[in-house]
Amino acid sequence: GAVVSQHPSRVICKSGTSVKIECRSLDFQATTMFWYRQFPKQSLMLMATSNEGSKATYEQGVEKDKFLINHASLTLSTLTVTSAHPEDSSFYICSAMEPATEAFFGQGTRLTVV
Amino acid sequence: GDSVTQMEGPVTLSEEAFLTINCTYTATGYPSLFWYVQYPGEGLQLLLKATKADDKGSNKGFEATYRKETTSFHLEKGSVQVSDSAVYFCALKGGYSTLTFGKGTMLLVSP
Repeated sequence: GAVVSQHPSRVICKSGTSVKIECRSLDFQATTMFWYRQFPKQSLMLMATSNEGSKATYEQGVEKDKFLINHASLTLSTLTVTSAHPEDSSFYICSAMEPATEAFFGQGTRLTVV
Repeated sequence: GDSVTQMEGPVTLSEEAFLTINCTYTATGYPSLFWYVQYPGEGLQLLLKATKADDKGSNKGFEATYRKETTSFHLEKGSVQVSDSAVYFCALKGGYSTLTFGKGTMLLVSP
């Protein structure tokens, strides 16, 4: 199947700093990418949907100014957690949609804010 | 709106036992149904899928049949292995491109 690469897999940052997470589709062009957040022992919460070349669509309750999403090309989307705080610590997962088929997921990024 | 309900875990089994993880859904129209598996510290991997009623998805010994009459997509495996220990998510994709996930069911298989 198609491969989605997410980087970094783990990151520790200080409170107040910003962290960027990359999501790349390696062997296909993804017109749509999704960003999820997963809390311990819970399901995935969709944060936003990004379409190449346009602004991301955020789910209700997700702060767009805090979680900046850029989908600059058909193979790359980035999530930047700005002014991170300990409550932002979580497992973030991206997913890329191959047109008219299924979604493929990245390996996830464990963010720890200290 | 769309929703997916799956049995709470953890499900604890001995190796070679039979596995069933129940999944039911609510959706308008005719959704596609999926099972994803998540190993510790990793993202999700597609395990199997079915796109229309009565389709059976299968992979790595796992099976699930799309039952429209009971709005179900139960996951089964005849003989589980320790390496099957993971969290399993049932999901649907309806009219839009987004996936709706169940809460996940942790499976623990002991030798």
